[in-house]
Amino acid sequence: QKEVEQDPGPLSVPEGAIVSLNCTYSNSAFQYFMWYRQYSRKGPELLMYTYSSGNKEDGRFTAQVDKSSKYISLFIRDSQPSDSATYLCAFYSGYSTLTFGKGTMLLVSP
Amino acid sequence: DARVTQTPRHKVTEMGQEVTMRCQPILGHNTVFWYRQTMMQGLELLAYFRNRAPLDDSGMPKDRFSAEMPDATLATLKIQPSEPRDSAVYFCASGLEPGARAFFGQGTRLTVV
Repeated sequence: QKEVEQDPGPLSVPEGAIVSLNCTYSNSAFQYFMWYRQYSRKGPELLMYTYSSGNKEDGRFTAQVDKSSKYISLFIRDSQPSDSATYLCAFYSGYSTLTFGKGTMLLVSP
Repeated sequence: DARVTQTPRHKVTEMGQEVTMRCQPILGHNTVFWYRQTMMQGLELLAYFRNRAPLDDSGMPKDRFSAEMPDATLATLKIQPSEPRDSAVYFCASGLEPGARAFFGQGTRLTVV
């Protein structure tokens, strides 16, 4: 079983749609949960950061963590063409290093 | 605006040559990561430093790769000798623990021919 599973996509949606991106993980030691956004030919940028189970909202973005199911999600409301990018989930256990998913490519068409 | 700075941004070199990539982490950050990104493998950790001490370099091919932090403002990644399979984008990231919220540089795009 891989430590992190993330569907590579691409996920294509029309502008204004609600987008749901997901990752599953197997390492119970993960305590910190992050989402990064990466535009083509750019470095990943930190989008959302959570520590515990539950929801965290920031503008159009909501990060959700379910530790019991080992499942995290990122929701994007009112998606825009500028949201077109690759979204990577990332995990940190507190004593090791960041572990990334392979990323999901999102395409938002006008 | 604090950011991680990587040089060079692009590098084309011939097989067998030495390649050195440099990273200036964000001032005050105590963790530095080196990652390699390819389409097939995604982001792979090569090295991890905390307070300039190497903590994890298990993902790095030891026979040809080396990573150092000569001081708090500079991290280096060297490949000697380089091979075509090393062609990838190499990212440096820095962060503050706990939580290791990492901030990435723009990457060095390496092509070995």
